[in-house]
Amino acid sequence: EAEVAQSPRYKITEKSQAVAFWCDPISGHATLYWYRQILGQGPELLVQFQDESVVDDSQLPKDRFSAERLKGVDSTLKIQPAELGDSAMYLCASSLTSGRNNEQFFGPGTRLTVL
Amino acid sequence: GQNIDQPTEMTATEGAIVQINCTYQTSGFNGLFWYQQHAGEAPTFLSYNVLDGLEEKGRFSSFLSRSKGYSYLLLKELQMKDSASYLCAVREWSNSGYALNFGKGTSLLVTP
Repeated sequence: EAEVAQSPRYKITEKSQAVAFWCDPISGHATLYWYRQILGQGPELLVQFQDESVVDDSQLPKDRFSAERLKGVDSTLKIQPAELGDSAMYLCASSLTSGRNNEQFFGPGTRLTVL
Repeated sequence: GQNIDQPTEMTATEGAIVQINCTYQTSGFNGLFWYQQHAGEAPTFLSYNVLDGLEEKGRFSSFLSRSKGYSYLLLKELQMKDSASYLCAVREWSNSGYALNFGKGTSLLVTP
């Protein structure tokens, strides 16, 4: 069964360091999402890609976060510099399209701890 | 998720039935999803409602009333493995397409 892959599963870093997360969506899925989930909260959308283009990054803290999906397949989310408040689970999801029948499939997530 | 409300925690007994409620406010409603999330894991899809009524899927059922902005997830014959967080998510239309907005989740504890 096709799955969304994410790497690493866990990351511990010190504040002010740079971190990067990788996501490989289900093959053929044009839409890719990065979510941040703080413990005890629901996922919050950070950025949404349609193929290689960003279609929504209104909630992405652009002073420190960046995301790219250069070839419209896999994607990287970067934080530089990391802050204590960035500790969270970072979830990647993909869907066939961004249209009506766009069930999102989630990857296992990357749990980030900033010390 | 500020327009989506669900209880923070619930406790129920193994073998019992539990109902998790969700209320929402949105101007571009296009469906309501329920996800299950075990601690430290990714959300997994449980159900989808876009029309009013009840959708049944094994031990899980989900109900939607669009006019009331209300949904519930019903879990029957509870098992210990059902202890998890249950996320209500509303799909809304925006300029960038359809987006999912999640509630904060309801943490369900099933006790023996």
